[in-house]
Amino acid sequence: AQSVTQPDIHITVSEGASLELRCNYSYGATPYLFWYVQSPGQGLQLLLKYFSGDTLVQGIKGFEAEFKRSQSSFNLRKPSVHWSDAAEYFCAVVINTNAGKSTFGDGTTLTVKP
Amino acid sequence: EAGVAQSPRYKIIEKRQSVAFWCNPISGHATLYWYQQILGQGPKLLIQFQNNGVVDDSQLPKDRFSAERLKGVDSTLKIQPAKLEDSAVYLCASSLWGDTEAFFGQGTRLTVV
Repeated sequence: AQSVTQPDIHITVSEGASLELRCNYSYGATPYLFWYVQSPGQGLQLLLKYFSGDTLVQGIKGFEAEFKRSQSSFNLRKPSVHWSDAAEYFCAVVINTNAGKSTFGDGTTLTVKP
Repeated sequence: EAGVAQSPRYKIIEKRQSVAFWCNPISGHATLYWYQQILGQGPKLLIQFQNNGVVDDSQLPKDRFSAERLKGVDSTLKIQPAKLEDSAVYLCASSLWGDTEAFFGQGTRLTVV
């Protein structure tokens, strides 16, 4: 069965600093990959997704992610973090978009220091 | 465009009681999902509907959980009887086709005491 690992439970960065959140997946083929953000008391908002093609994907709010097949990774990055980015971030994979389901990692909580 | 609507936002019940959650997906979205998100974990799929048919309910605890999507539009998730470990946020999501991009509601936070 596919699995998603987000190794960092909690990350703290200073406002204006760069950010990288790690995501590794376990599956034989290349899955469809997603990053979501969840603010307290809110649902999940899609930041970006990778299906195929260019391995560097641009998303909303200045986020980007890079798919590395050799490392089975899909790390999320942002060059300069804003205080409003403080939230929980989830990586997810889907094997088959026709009838598949999303498997989520357990999330990384981002704290932004002023 | 209206998003995925869920109600209620919060619910507190005693164990062994029953509870129901309602979800209205985005208009035209054929696929509807119910996820359970326990504190400190990522969401886990309970059930997936395509129109009014069940695609995947392998993770649904069928002895106590049930879900329906009559007429292929809104959906209801029921727990009867509830256990303490059912305390979680229940998220509903919908998508146009399969899992290409799912839109999530704000969720229902259930506390079982």
